[in-house]
Amino acid sequence: ELKVEQNPLFLSMQEGKNYTIYCNYSTTSDRLYWYRQDPGKSLESLFVLLSNGAVKQEGRLMASLDTKARLSTLHITAAVHDLSATYFCGAQKLVFGQGTRLTINP
Amino acid sequence: NAGVTQTPKFQVLKTGQSMTLQCAQDMNHEYMSWYRQDPGMGLRLIHYSVGAGITDQGEVPNGYNVSRSTTEDFPLRLLSAAPSQTSVYFCASSYSLLGQETQYFGPGTRLLVL
Repeated sequence: ELKVEQNPLFLSMQEGKNYTIYCNYSTTSDRLYWYRQDPGKSLESLFVLLSNGAVKQEGRLMASLDTKARLSTLHITAAVHDLSATYFCGAQKLVFGQGTRLTINP
Repeated sequence: NAGVTQTPKFQVLKTGQSMTLQCAQDMNHEYMSWYRQDPGMGLRLIHYSVGAGITDQGEVPNGYNVSRSTTEDFPLRLLSAAPSQTSVYFCASSYSLLGQETQYFGPGTRLLVL
């Protein structure tokens, strides 16, 4: 059974700092998705990672995938307040992690 | 191109009532799915469909029914609402289940069962 776990579940950080959100999954998955959700809103697609070693970047966010370790990371560089949101990873299109609520303080 | 639409946006039900949450997409997507979102639980898959006439259960299907008579529509029926079904419900779609493209999510339906 495919399970996905994220950590941390809550993250409060200061603007300008770097941090990483981790997404572990329990069985083989050839696709890993990252989404962003703002409070009271729907989910917005950020990245689709399709192969071992895949790295994608958009602005201050960078996602990577290590299929051998069954691990994906979402790295935030020099955080800004606008990145405050909840971030979800999902394996295949069926199973999601619990979400990481990220708060970036001025 | 409206994407994925859901109605209603909000609904209050009494225990035992039934209702249908509507979901439609205009992107000719074969794969559609329903999730519920509860605090600390992430999104959990209720039911999904890989095409008209084909549906399957997800992680938490009890208390919910679905059907897929057209490519565009994928309604979710609550047969006899219970307080445990209080949640935010999201519908999503993509070209296929096994394809590599992302899913597109609807705006959600907030349901309160008293």
